[in-house]
Amino acid sequence: QVQLVQSGAEVKKPGASVKVSCKASGYIFTGYYLHWVRQAPGQGLEWMGWINPKSGGTQFAQRFQDRVAMTSDTSINTAYMELSRLRSDDTAVYYCARDPEYQILYKWFDPWGQGTLVTVSS
Amino acid sequence: DIQMIQSPSSVSASVGDRVTITCRASQDITTWLAWYQQKPGKAPKLLIYTVSNLRSGVPSRFSGSGFGTDFTLTISNLQPEDSATYYCQQANSFPLTFGGGTKVEIK
Repeated sequence: QVQLVQSGAEVKKPGASVKVSCKASGYIFTGYYLHWVRQAPGQGLEWMGWINPKSGGTQFAQRFQDRVAMTSDTSINTAYMELSRLRSDDTAVYYCARDPEYQILYKWFDPWGQGTLVTVSS
Repeated sequence: DIQMIQSPSSVSASVGDRVTITCRASQDITTWLAWYQQKPGKAPKLLIYTVSNLRSGVPSRFSGSGFGTDFTLTISNLQPEDSATYYCQQANSFPLTFGGGTKVEIK
């Protein structure tokens, strides 16, 4: 079955960077867009951007434009999201989520990874 | 950015009740709307896409309606396992945005 498995929790200091991985299985990795969505503790959902694993193309929400990078390694079916210059308000659970249609950017999210908690604290 | 406003923020209902959640977009999104269910400590799950299309495997007591700026998620015959937070999401334009969530509790 389609599955996205993310890397483990991270604790970072303000100003540092974090790189979260998302390993895909059960489908053709290069055929589907992947999104990243985050959720601060007790808060709602915030879309960060997408990556096309086949082309490497990306699009980010403007508020993350200068701090985020999304990459993929097709040899191991894994996508990465790196957020730099971390602040305390970046503390959140970060999710990867697949766009559900083959080679089409429908902009829904299904399925989701299990989430990775990133804590930013001095 | 398109703002998505959900109401109510929380609702408490009994098993068997009908629950209605509304989502209003700050501009016309035609039918580019999805609904997600999230249980505590878990990732969200897609319930409905394009306003009213039920994701495979989702119980038929869930339904969606609306067009343009006003949308509704209805849970008919509420079940204990429906206790969760529900989010709407617009897919009309970037940045993709979510409503603030509606917490459904079982009395």
